[in-house]
Amino acid sequence: QQQVKQSPQSLIVQKGGISIINCAYENTAFDYFPWYQQFPGKGPALLIAIRPDVSEKKEGRFTISFNKSAKQFSLHIMDSQPGDSATYFCAAINAGGTSYGKLTFGQGTILTVHP
Amino acid sequence: DGGITQSPKYLFRKEGQNVTLSCEQNLNHDAMYWYRQDPGQGLRLIYYSQIVNDFQKGDIAEGYSVSREKKESFPLTVTSAQKNPTAFYLCASSPRQGADEQYFGPGTRLTVT
Repeated sequence: QQQVKQSPQSLIVQKGGISIINCAYENTAFDYFPWYQQFPGKGPALLIAIRPDVSEKKEGRFTISFNKSAKQFSLHIMDSQPGDSATYFCAAINAGGTSYGKLTFGQGTILTVHP
Repeated sequence: DGGITQSPKYLFRKEGQNVTLSCEQNLNHDAMYWYRQDPGQGLRLIYYSQIVNDFQKGDIAEGYSVSREKKESFPLTVTSAQKNPTAFYLCASSPRQGADEQYFGPGTRLTVT
């Protein structure tokens, strides 16, 4: 019930295209859903995050879509650029719980944007 | 400059040796975490600490040990009991336990031969 399932494992997109990465979860107690971006040899960095009281959040070219009833959320990267090539992780946490809230990560998606 | 530092960036050890990875933060965060990352897998939690002198096992604690004697420091020791120690190790911190945002260090790549 703690798992977060992420797909696809890898994604190749042409420059200017839309990259879409999907995640699904089981634990309805999760109340915060961040996406992390990781470049090779570096630590993950928070990219964008959403709470379940909204269905969409947009920051620049990055948009999270959230479907609470389906327990799914996705990252859309508009006008994808070669500099977006990285590994993307979705995650989920019960940040409002009284017990320790563990950040549960998806398996990661390796995005390659061809020029 | 605020942030999390991990040293060294690359570490090589012979099998059977213990090795300690350093993690320091100057963000004044209460909680600190250690994750392990293997190719094609997400991050797996090794240990976490909510306050000084307290720490808890994560999902894959076997073969690892930690200490939290100072708020800013959370070193991880990879012992000889860890069967597959070669991996990328990431330290993270958050303002408090269970806080939604975790901030990651640059990582240490450990190779054991």
